Amino acid sequence: KAGVTQTPRYLIKTRGQQVTLSCSPISGHRSVSWYQQTPGQGLQFLFEYFSETQRNKGNFPGRFSGRQFSNSRSEMNVSTLELGDSALYLCASSPPLAGGTDTQYFGPGTRLTVL
Amino acid sequence: GENVEQHPSTLSVQEGDSAVIKCTYSDSASNYFPWYKQELGKGPQLIIDIRSNVGEKKDQRIAVTLNKTAKHFSLHITETQPEDSAVYFCAASRASNDYKLSFGAGTTVTVRA
Repeated sequence: KAGVTQTPRYLIKTRGQQVTLSCSPISGHRSVSWYQQTPGQGLQFLFEYFSETQRNKGNFPGRFSGRQFSNSRSEMNVSTLELGDSALYLCASSPPLAGGTDTQYFGPGTRLTVL
Repeated sequence: GENVEQHPSTLSVQEGDSAVIKCTYSDSASNYFPWYKQELGKGPQLIIDIRSNVGEKKDQRIAVTLNKTAKHFSLHITETQPEDSAVYFCAASRASNDYKLSFGAGTTVTVRA
């Protein structure tokens, strides 16, 4: 079974621009979560989507948004980019909740550099 | 919210020795504790996880122990090999209610040949 895929893998933007990152979950997984990873703050939760609905949100400004499509693919958008948004953005998918599992499987990430 | 602390931040071991990483958590409602391994240029890879109804879990050379009373859990790697060199993260969440994982700061493990 193919793993979580993220596109693009690398991205360079300038301050003030906006960016859209894409995530395709493992086949059959309906929950998609997004995390930001930086050397200073570590891994921080952004938001989680299930059946096209945002179920949980972390403590990030409104410039960070996301959505999920009917095929469970997800996108996240960052508007008005700031230098501090430079990070590795990770997507994780989880299998259906039968049995209470919430194991999250991560993709390789998108490395965003803001100049 | 949940606060997860992880120690040590770096760990150097001789090949064949054991490595132990410890984490503490603050939210008594947390009941799911996964461990991830992250190699350079890759996303975190789940290596083992444990739920609060279990005190210990083992998978070949890797084991995790959980002490709910003290709110701490540990990762044990035995017979370390060079390919075990990576950054290891512990995490905690309220399973089934909250898909938000709160991560520790990570431990860089170096296995010396």
